Amino acid sequence: KAGVTQTPRYLIKTRGQQVTLSCSPISGHRSVSWYQQTPGQGLQFLFEYFSETQRNKGNFPGRFSGRQFSNSRSEMNVSTLELGDSALYLCASSQGQGGTGELFFGEGSRLTVL
Amino acid sequence: SQQGEEDPQALSIQEGENATMNCSYKTSINNLQWYRQNSGRGLVHLILIRSNEREKHSGRLRVTLDTSKKSSSLLITASRAADTASYFCATDLTGSARQLTFGSGTQLTVLP
Repeated sequence: KAGVTQTPRYLIKTRGQQVTLSCSPISGHRSVSWYQQTPGQGLQFLFEYFSETQRNKGNFPGRFSGRQFSNSRSEMNVSTLELGDSALYLCASSQGQGGTGELFFGEGSRLTVL
Repeated sequence: SQQGEEDPQALSIQEGENATMNCSYKTSINNLQWYRQNSGRGLVHLILIRSNEREKHSGRLRVTLDTSKKSSSLLITASRAADTASYFCATDLTGSARQLTFGSGTQLTVLP
């Protein structure tokens, strides 16, 4: 069974631009969560999607948004990039209902904002 | 902001020794999980312990949970160089198993 796939793995943007990151969950998993990891703030929850609906949202500004498609693939978007948005963005999938509670993480998308 | 604190922040040991790292959290939980992260990579789930459990084992891993003290510990026995990684505890403080609050992490270095 293929794992969680995130694309792109690395990208460089400049301030003011926008970026879209993609996540393909494990086959059969209906929940996709997104986390931001920075040296200063650590791992922080962004949002979670289940069956194309956002179920939970972390404490991030509206510049951070996401969506989930009918095949459970998810995208997150960050608009008007700021230097502080430089981070490793991690996607995690899970069954969403029942299951073990374990999250399966992708390798992440490392965003650098210049 | 992070809700969990882990200590030590960094730990360096020799191969074959045991490594213990601790995690504290602030509010009631349903379960607590431990994850490992190799440098710059994704997180790998190690073990989950439910709030009604006190101890759990998985291979060389032993996790304890003390809900009265709101703390957990992860013990790795007979450490190997391949265990070198950052270790994070994660709790479902909001009651959602998929909205995890991660601790600050312990960087473990196992010297050959």
